[in-house]
Amino acid sequence: DIQMTQSPSSLSASVGDRVTITCRASQGIRNDLGWYQQKPGKAPKRLIYAASTLQSGVPSRFSGSGSGTEFTLTISSLQPEDFATYYCLQHNSYPLIFGGGTKVEIK
Amino acid sequence: EVQLVQSGAVVKKPGESLKISCKASGYIFSTYWIVWVRQMPGKGLEWMGIIYPGDSDTRYSPSFQGQVTISADKSISTAYLQWSSLKASDTAMYYCARTVGGANSPDYWGQGTLVTVSS
Repeated sequence: DIQMTQSPSSLSASVGDRVTITCRASQGIRNDLGWYQQKPGKAPKRLIYAASTLQSGVPSRFSGSGSGTEFTLTISSLQPEDFATYYCLQHNSYPLIFGGGTKVEIK
Repeated sequence: EVQLVQSGAVVKKPGESLKISCKASGYIFSTYWIVWVRQMPGKGLEWMGIIYPGDSDTRYSPSFQGQVTISADKSISTAYLQWSSLKASDTAMYYCARTVGGANSPDYWGQGTLVTVSS
């Protein structure tokens, strides 16, 4: 199975900060990666698919990059509604694997 | 509008059986895959398995193979996740979601079904 290592597991940031979250795959997965945001008590919401394509309706402050084994989710200017937990998901091969999650908290 | 509506929260005892559902609307059910995802209390997301309702092609994560059964009834646009003998460790929130293609990132998600297994 492909393993996904997501870092950091948590971070504290202020409104307006630039935030970067990384996922590393144990083997190359092309650009077969999605990013999700989950708020407490809610279902996950897809932000990015195919590593860098913004989901319709998602603010442009979110962006994704990377290919192969290293991927990044960037929030260019953190907003109050962005405090949540973020997950990557590799969908190159079965079983699909989520990263361990990154909890973004208010500093 | 695409919607996935899951059955309500349940409380069961260890050893009991359970089948939870995910009813789809707003799209052609038989042409998209449905995935099931587990989230244990305070933990991350785990991909359990997937089904293509068009022909019932099903894949399981090795972690869940033999522990659960995924099925679908395309006549009523509903997918299911079932257990034959629940354990306390099955206590979790379970989400269904839709994907375009089996190995793909889900776009629409259900609201989740909380399963509590306690004696």
